[in-house]
Amino acid sequence: SQQGEEDPQALSIQEGENATMNCSYKTSINNLQWYRQNSGRGLVHLILIRSNEREKHSGRLRVTLDTSKKSSSLLITASRAADTASYFCATDVLYGNKLVFGAGTILRVKS
Amino acid sequence: AAGVIQSPRHLIKEKRETATLKCYPIPRHDTVYWYQQGPGQDPQFLISFYEKMQSDKGSIPDRFSAQQFSDYHSELNMSSLELGDSALYFCASSRRGRKGYEQYFGPGTRLTVT
Repeated sequence: SQQGEEDPQALSIQEGENATMNCSYKTSINNLQWYRQNSGRGLVHLILIRSNEREKHSGRLRVTLDTSKKSSSLLITASRAADTASYFCATDVLYGNKLVFGAGTILRVKS
Repeated sequence: AAGVIQSPRHLIKEKRETATLKCYPIPRHDTVYWYQQGPGQDPQFLISFYEKMQSDKGSIPDRFSAQQFSDYHSELNMSSLELGDSALYFCASSRRGRKGYEQYFGPGTRLTVT
């Protein structure tokens, strides 16, 4: 990936458990965004966290951002089978007009 | 709510042919982005336009060109297609203004080059 790594590459959990995905990036950013992608389909925007924010919540999603470590995490609580998808972090880079994506985490939630 | 529209959704071309992909952004969005996603890969930024001017450029081959028109729709023109161009091509749009704007993606065009 151009920007950094996502960790883990794949995650398999039981329905009801929490899922945590981590993302690291390399450059300075305006914000960081998380997207979900079902197999071979479009990218769905989940949440955006600005560079001056440390934590953000949206429903069952919790995102943290540590700009000193250039890292972010996405927590999905009480996972459901329908959460099965690939999850990508993407950085809105400073002095650019583009998103740079991480390699993605494949999440499988077993019912 | 209106979403980003891409056409066609699927396209099959032969090597050395040309292809044109179209993108219609969400109403009142002034910025359009193009991304390429190969099988099992993360999306790679190609090019973006703000108010009809190119605003950033990524790893877009010289064989590709794009533009944004007065109605804000955008077209990606691809010539001398190669097998390696087979991928999912996404268009995204955003409403630029203050820092921190979400990009909303279209459903993608799946291009297969044979």
